[in-house]
Amino acid sequence: DTAVSQTPKYLVTQMGNDKSIKCEQNLGHDTMYWYKQDSKKFLKIMFSYNNKELIINETVPNRFSPKSPDKAHLNLHINSLELGDSAVYFCASSLQGGNYEQYFGPGTRLTVT
Amino acid sequence: GDSVTQMEGPVTLSEEAFLTINCTYTATGYPSLFWYVQYPGEGLQLLLKATKADDKGSNKGFEATYRKETTSFHLEKGSVQVSDSAVYFCALTSSGTYKYIFGTGTRLKVLA
Repeated sequence: DTAVSQTPKYLVTQMGNDKSIKCEQNLGHDTMYWYKQDSKKFLKIMFSYNNKELIINETVPNRFSPKSPDKAHLNLHINSLELGDSAVYFCASSLQGGNYEQYFGPGTRLTVT
Repeated sequence: GDSVTQMEGPVTLSEEAFLTINCTYTATGYPSLFWYVQYPGEGLQLLLKATKADDKGSNKGFEATYRKETTSFHLEKGSVQVSDSAVYFCALTSSGTYKYIFGTGTRLKVLA
């Protein structure tokens, strides 16, 4: 069983469209995250949720809206996609915040044309 | 604020060579330190961790020691293999926070 799964794995879309990425973890973790990784492999945290509550929102444009329907799921909706949104988006989870390691999903490669 | 600095890559080594990837950090308090590895086309995986000063994390032949006096957590391996080719990330997090600070990643390429 995959611990942290994301769908879709690849997403190709045009500028101005709206798209969603879904994430699920079956580890029983309380905390989930969204990261953006650019072409140089730099990893930037976008959001963190703990028990469905938003904890971190790192100066992300409000075109990005996360949603956590329950502890096991954290989805990311992106409105009015721009070329600069092209990146790999990773979902991750940890038992709690603090000193616990994170478990990452396989990533979603978003390409905006 | 907290930060992690890693040596820039790429690092290119021959098989069986000794590997060191430097990582230093700045943090208030006593963070936990991690090394993650990312293989091509995959997500990050935990490689090893250390939660307090002088702890040594180890896994798959890789080691790193939490050095509070030099604020460092350098990754080492005595004999690298082609299969170790990947991007390595140093990271920290502190108790009571929900934020992980990652370094910029170091790409390792091992040649047969």
